[in-house]
Amino acid sequence: KAGVTQTPRYLIKTRGQQVTLSCSPISGHRSVSWYQQTPGQGLQFLFEYFSETQRNKGNFPGRFSGRQFSNSRSEMNVSTLELGDSALYLCASRPGGTERNTEAFFGQGTRLTVV
Amino acid sequence: DQQVKQNSPSLSVQEGRISILNCDYTNSMFDYFLWYKKYPAEGPTFLISISSIKDKNEDGRFTVFLNKSAKHLSLHIVPSQPGDSAVYFCAASARAGNNRKLIWGLGTSLAVNP
Repeated sequence: KAGVTQTPRYLIKTRGQQVTLSCSPISGHRSVSWYQQTPGQGLQFLFEYFSETQRNKGNFPGRFSGRQFSNSRSEMNVSTLELGDSALYLCASRPGGTERNTEAFFGQGTRLTVV
Repeated sequence: DQQVKQNSPSLSVQEGRISILNCDYTNSMFDYFLWYKKYPAEGPTFLISISSIKDKNEDGRFTVFLNKSAKHLSLHIVPSQPGDSAVYFCAASARAGNNRKLIWGLGTSLAVNP
């Protein structure tokens, strides 16, 4: 079974630009969550998509948005990039049901550097 | 409001000794807890989990203990190895309607010294 795939792995953008990151979850998983990780800040939850609908959202500004397609693949978009957006962006895949014993599987992340 | 707290940002242990990583939570609705390990520039990988109906789960060198009355769980690594050096995240799960929420701690960076 293929794991969670995130593309691209590395990205360098200029302040003010916008960026789109992609995540392909594990086959059969319908839930995709996005996280931002910066040094010393742990995993900051951005949002979760399930069956093409956003069902949870963290405390990030509206510049951060996402969507999910019918095949469960998800994209995350950040507009008007700021230097502080430089981080590792992680995508996590889960089946998405209510069963308690389901762990999240993470991709390797996209390292975004804003210059 | 940090519902899952890992109060020690870092921990240093000698190779062969025990590493104990702690995690506290505030929400009594959490019924499943997970530990993840993360190396730099990689995504976290699942390590071990425990259901709220148990107080201990063991997998090789890794044991997780749950004290529900104290809302506290801990991960024990015995014996610690240099390859265990990583950031460890505690996560707690609760059912929310027809959904499950997963709340993460900020992580503890473990350094195992040879």
